[in-house]
Amino acid sequence: DIVMTQSPDSLAVSLGERATINCKSSQSVLVRSNSQNYLAWYQQKPGQPPKLLIYWASIRESGVPDRFSGSGSGTDFTLTISSLQAEDVAIYYCQQYYSAPPLTFGQGTRLEIK
Amino acid sequence: QVQLQQWGAGLLKPSETLSLTCAVYGGSFSGYYYSWIRRPPGKGLEWIGEINHSDNTNYNPSLNPSLKSRVTISVDTSRNQFSLSLTSVTAADAAFYYCARGGVADRLALWGQGTLVTVSS
Repeated sequence: DIVMTQSPDSLAVSLGERATINCKSSQSVLVRSNSQNYLAWYQQKPGQPPKLLIYWASIRESGVPDRFSGSGSGTDFTLTISSLQAEDVAIYYCQQYYSAPPLTFGQGTRLEIK
Repeated sequence: QVQLQQWGAGLLKPSETLSLTCAVYGGSFSGYYYSWIRRPPGKGLEWIGEINHSDNTNYNPSLNPSLKSRVTISVDTSRNQFSLSLTSVTAADAAFYYCARGGVADRLALWGQGTLVTVSS
């Protein structure tokens, strides 16, 4: 299995400040034939299902605010929230959807307001 | 707009069967895989498996063997629905269960609202 490891486990950031969450995969999720990284980011708020934020490592899902951005390639990825808003308090997960089962998720990063 | 809506019993007794169904509304059912994911209390997300409209299934090969032997994912293309069955539940199966559109090689773009499953005698 591809193991996904996020850091940090929890994060407290002041409103308006930048939040950065890292994700490392145990093997590359880059498919060279199409130059795509099979990596997604999700946001989960209490009582709600996860919501897709970013796919192909850096493509923002429709309707997601542009303060959310994804970067990285191969085994190292980052989710950045450029200016934290109160509604961004949530748990964030990275996930690889590489070519073979199983899909795997990072352990989650809890983001709070400082 | 495509939506996924799931339902099923949320309170089970030990040894009963968990049955959840997820319906896809507002878009094409074919052309995608559909997944089941669970999140036990205090733990992270675990992918259970996926199915497509042609009844091709993939299960998580790394599931605990006791879980793997009890899980079945099925599809009803006439109703644009897919289902999860988990027999002989125990307290260890208590979790939020989610359906989603997507799977291997495809992001989980749409999710059902989730079902909290509790197992108690």
